[in-house]
Amino acid sequence: GAVVSQHPSWVICKSGTSVKIECRSLDFQATTMFWYRQFPKQSLMLMATSNEGSKATYEQGVEKDKFLINHASLTLSTLTVTSAHPEDSSFYICSAITTGADNQPQHFGDGTRLSIL
Amino acid sequence: GQNIDQPTEMTATEGAIVQINCTYQTSGFNGLFWYQQHAGEAPTFLSYNVLDGLEEKGRFSSFLSRSKGYSYLLLKELQMKDSASYLCAPMDSNYQLIWGAGTKLIIKP
Repeated sequence: GAVVSQHPSWVICKSGTSVKIECRSLDFQATTMFWYRQFPKQSLMLMATSNEGSKATYEQGVEKDKFLINHASLTLSTLTVTSAHPEDSSFYICSAITTGADNQPQHFGDGTRLSIL
Repeated sequence: GQNIDQPTEMTATEGAIVQINCTYQTSGFNGLFWYQQHAGEAPTFLSYNVLDGLEEKGRFSSFLSRSKGYSYLLLKELQMKDSASYLCAPMDSNYQLIWGAGTKLIIKP
């Protein structure tokens, strides 16, 4: 149980392109989803917390106009990296928690490796 | 501030036992999670402790002492596939996970 699907797994695109990453909870309803970024050999960095039906809460230093997050349903959240540049190349990972207590474990998607040329 | 301290890297032998220690400082506390992350992959949930004591789950056990701000993950009967990074992630008063860089565990035959 608690399977999270993330798509695509890999993206390679030119600078200036916008890239959309999807995160789906397959067998549970996720009122809250999280988006992380991870650079090689570094810790997970929380970018934003996404609650279904409301605006995402962005962490300090994360540009909300550049990283657009939509959480339109209880099973889907999307992250769009607008006008991506080489410095945006990273491993992007989503996670989701089930409804209920706030101290539920986060279940992660497989991640998306984004390479901007 | 919020802080996590884990060894950067550990090496152990296949079939042996290894203990990965974690000390933490958080603003409030709502439990502590351990995750496993293989290179190039996303983390997978291993365990959750909110009360003091030992939680055993198969070959993996996790211990918590809230008064000491200390936890450890114990891995028994090590297998080569256990080579991964192990992330200690306490949850603060806002139910936000605090992530460190984790401990890279290398298993040798």
